Amino acid sequence: GAGVSQSPSNKVTEKGKDVELRCDPISGHTALYWYRQSLGQGLEFLIYFQGNSAPDKSGLPSDRFSAERTGGSVSTLTIQRTQQEDSAVYLCASSLVRVSGDTQYFGPGTRLTVL
Amino acid sequence: ILNVEQSPQSLHVQEGDSTNFTCSFPSSNFYALHWYRWETAKSPEALFVMTLNGDEKKKGRISATLNTKEGYSYLYIKGSQPEDSATYLCAFMMNTGFQKLVFGTGTRLLVSP
Repeated sequence: GAGVSQSPSNKVTEKGKDVELRCDPISGHTALYWYRQSLGQGLEFLIYFQGNSAPDKSGLPSDRFSAERTGGSVSTLTIQRTQQEDSAVYLCASSLVRVSGDTQYFGPGTRLTVL
Repeated sequence: ILNVEQSPQSLHVQEGDSTNFTCSFPSSNFYALHWYRWETAKSPEALFVMTLNGDEKKKGRISATLNTKEGYSYLYIKGSQPEDSATYLCAFMMNTGFQKLVFGTGTRLLVSP
């Protein structure tokens, strides 16, 4: 079956512009996560959606970052007024339900470069 | 602040060598420990999800052990092959509040033919 897909795979933008990153989770997965990996850093949690519950936004680094998940499926991560430190690989993951540690299935990521 | 550490940071071995990596994590509030393999230009791939102290899991030539009392997990690769070249990530999940994954910075493995 189809895995997690993300688009675009690469995005180059100028400082100050807004960007939108898209994630299509595995069909039927109720949990969706956004992470990012900046150069030389580990994967950093950004935000989590579970079913109809309010998202956990505790990892978002600033109010320039927001995310939504429409219809319990597709998610969009929006970064407003991008800064050079936003350059990173942004990964989306989904999982079925919150049991037994929940294997998370990752997409291929979006590499964002802010010039 | 949760701290998940992995060592070594990188490793270069010859084909056929066996190798192991370490993941250290907080020993309190443990829920699960995940191992992922991340090959360049691909998605991170789940290897193991470990939840019980003393757990040992195996997938082909790769195996992992878990010690939740002292807060460490070992990943072993027996008879490394060039296709094992990847970054190996461990991630810790707490049992309190939202169970997000806290990742280590990974061990980058290069296996030369």
